[in-house]
Amino acid sequence: GEQVEQLPSILRVQEGSSASINCSYEDSASNYFPWYKQEPGENPKLIIDIRSNMERKQIQELIVLLDKKAKRFSLHITDTQPGDSAMYFCAASDYGNEKITFGAGTKLTIKP
Amino acid sequence: GPKVLQIPSHQIIDMGQMVTLNCDPVSNHLYFYWYKQILGQQMEFLVNFYNGKVMEKSKLFKDQFSVERPDGSYFTLKIQPTALEDSAVYFCASSLGHSAETLYFGSGTRLTVL
Repeated sequence: GEQVEQLPSILRVQEGSSASINCSYEDSASNYFPWYKQEPGENPKLIIDIRSNMERKQIQELIVLLDKKAKRFSLHITDTQPGDSAMYFCAASDYGNEKITFGAGTKLTIKP
Repeated sequence: GPKVLQIPSHQIIDMGQMVTLNCDPVSNHLYFYWYKQILGQQMEFLVNFYNGKVMEKSKLFKDQFSVERPDGSYFTLKIQPTALEDSAVYFCASSLGHSAETLYFGSGTRLTVL
């Protein structure tokens, strides 16, 4: 089955700077890549996703990049704010599968 | 937005007992999932369910686990008997279509097996 690697596991950045999280996957059939944000004690919530027909997608301060050749995708948060502190999970799936495989998560802390 | 409700939010039971975790998925969703998360770690896929049947399950979905959704009511995860290593937060999720559609997660049930 699909394996998703996510790095780093812990990330601390200064408020106002950018944060980047990188993921890689193994199954070349994967074509859907969502990102979930999970705050302590809360459920994971979808914040942005990208499908394989795109290389870049931006929603406000969130940018996702997809490199299908390298089987890598990444999340970039520009101008980070304290409210961005949370766990972030990348994931991958394809239309033929019935499950989403998650990465191990990145704990992001924004330092004031 | 769409909400997935999970009942209870916490459950403490003794090892060997049976437990049922309940999930009320988004009303028009057709696919249902259970994920297991040990504190602060990765969410691991357990099982998905569609049209009254298990579509796929992982190695974590032991023989002691079962799922059902009788007559469109709660989507349940039953563990019988429970083991210490079953202690975790169990997240239910649902989606309108298959997994390449947005997954909506419930708030989780924290299960503690003593």
